[in-house]
Amino acid sequence: DAGVTQSPTHLIKTRGQQVTLRCSPKSGHDTVSWYQQALGQGPQFIFQYYEEEERQRGNFPDRFSGHQFPNYSSELNVNALLLGDSALYLCASSPPGGTEQFFGPGTRLTVL
Amino acid sequence: GENVGLHLPTLSVQEGDNSIINCAYSNSASDYFIWYKQESGKGPQFIIDIRSNMDKRQGQRVTVLLNKTVKHLSLQIAATQPGDSAVYFCAENSGGSNYKLTFGKGTLLTVNP
Repeated sequence: DAGVTQSPTHLIKTRGQQVTLRCSPKSGHDTVSWYQQALGQGPQFIFQYYEEEERQRGNFPDRFSGHQFPNYSSELNVNALLLGDSALYLCASSPPGGTEQFFGPGTRLTVL
Repeated sequence: GENVGLHLPTLSVQEGDNSIINCAYSNSASDYFIWYKQESGKGPQFIIDIRSNMDKRQGQRVTVLLNKTVKHLSLQIAATQPGDSAVYFCAENSGGSNYKLTFGKGTLLTVNP
């Protein structure tokens, strides 16, 4: 039983570019949350997707957007990249009706 | 407010000793708490959770204690092993229409052989 998977593992972009990160939830899970983790900090909630819609959003600008597909997988898009967007981006999935969140390995984004 | 923090940023223990990692939270509406372990270069790994209707919950070598009166959470690791070395985060959720987890900064646990 595969856990949460994310791709790519690492990514290097330059300022102003756009990036798309991908996440496949754990089998049987229907909810996907995205977090940003800066070096030495705890993860910060970006948003959560459920039934293909954004259900809740954290304090992130509109440059951060997402999508959930019918198979429950999800994408995180970041436009107009800034140096400060460099971080580990984590995806977490939850089972139907569950509060638990299980994390994937993350995507390390470096913005130069 | 929604502030979850840790008393100790680092903890160093000897192999075989018991470890206690502490966490304070400020949101009295929080009703669900999770401890995560994060090794270098990896995503957070679920360790154990507890709901606010419980004071204690035990897992394999781990125990979580919740004191709602002083809004304090602790993770106890028995017979700490070198493989337990990692950063430990507590996270909280206040339920209802709030689905996000709010994390503290983390405690770095180092186990000396």
